Amino acid sequence: SQQGEEDPQALSIQEGENATMNCSYKTSINNLQWYRQNSGRGLVHLILIRSNEREKHSGRLRVTLDTSKKSSSLLITASRAADTASYFCATGNSGTYKYIFGTGTRLKVLA
Amino acid sequence: DAGVIQSPRHEVTEMGQEVTLRCKPISGHDYLFWYRQTMMRGLELLIYFNNNVPIDDSGMPEDRFSAKMPNASFSTLKIQPSEPRDSAVYFCASSPPGLAGYNEQFFGPGTRLTVL
Repeated sequence: SQQGEEDPQALSIQEGENATMNCSYKTSINNLQWYRQNSGRGLVHLILIRSNEREKHSGRLRVTLDTSKKSSSLLITASRAADTASYFCATGNSGTYKYIFGTGTRLKVLA
Repeated sequence: DAGVIQSPRHEVTEMGQEVTLRCKPISGHDYLFWYRQTMMRGLELLIYFNNNVPIDDSGMPEDRFSAKMPNASFSTLKIQPSEPRDSAVYFCASSPPGLAGYNEQFFGPGTRLTVL
């Protein structure tokens, strides 16, 4: 069964706008990762946030984690057409290499 | 570095036939993962290896599926006999050595399998 559920399932925005995607999960975790998948391609790792971190930045990406609410958000600022892709969260626990991927958010950035 | 290599990229076969998917992980990575992606079930972990040894195969759907890793640079996922419900995109991913649970996974481009 899926651990993470992304919300919304699909998102369409104009270039230059910000895009926010949310991930909710069910059990305790040690870290959460976000991946991007372009159409017809494999997943690419974007960022990892540990359970003791609340916020992390990488370029135009900002990730937050609220372990009390079992949720995370991914913010892409100043979006570009090239950001069009599906975005997945993946939860992990220490001691295991088994990550559980969420259902994904399909982002479309219109030029 | 060429990244994770998978072959074939596309496979169309008929029900009952044997299918073999192949993967070459990134050199130096000692973890290898096989995933299946469908619209209905999303991305599912089938099995993963560490140093060529299967660690967790709890995601393998049934006995028709088998995976091997004869050496550090090659793995196969075999389906015999194949069924239409096996149609999906199969991904191979690898990870470098490191702290369990904190590793980035590097994905291959996937094999799109269609079973008629």
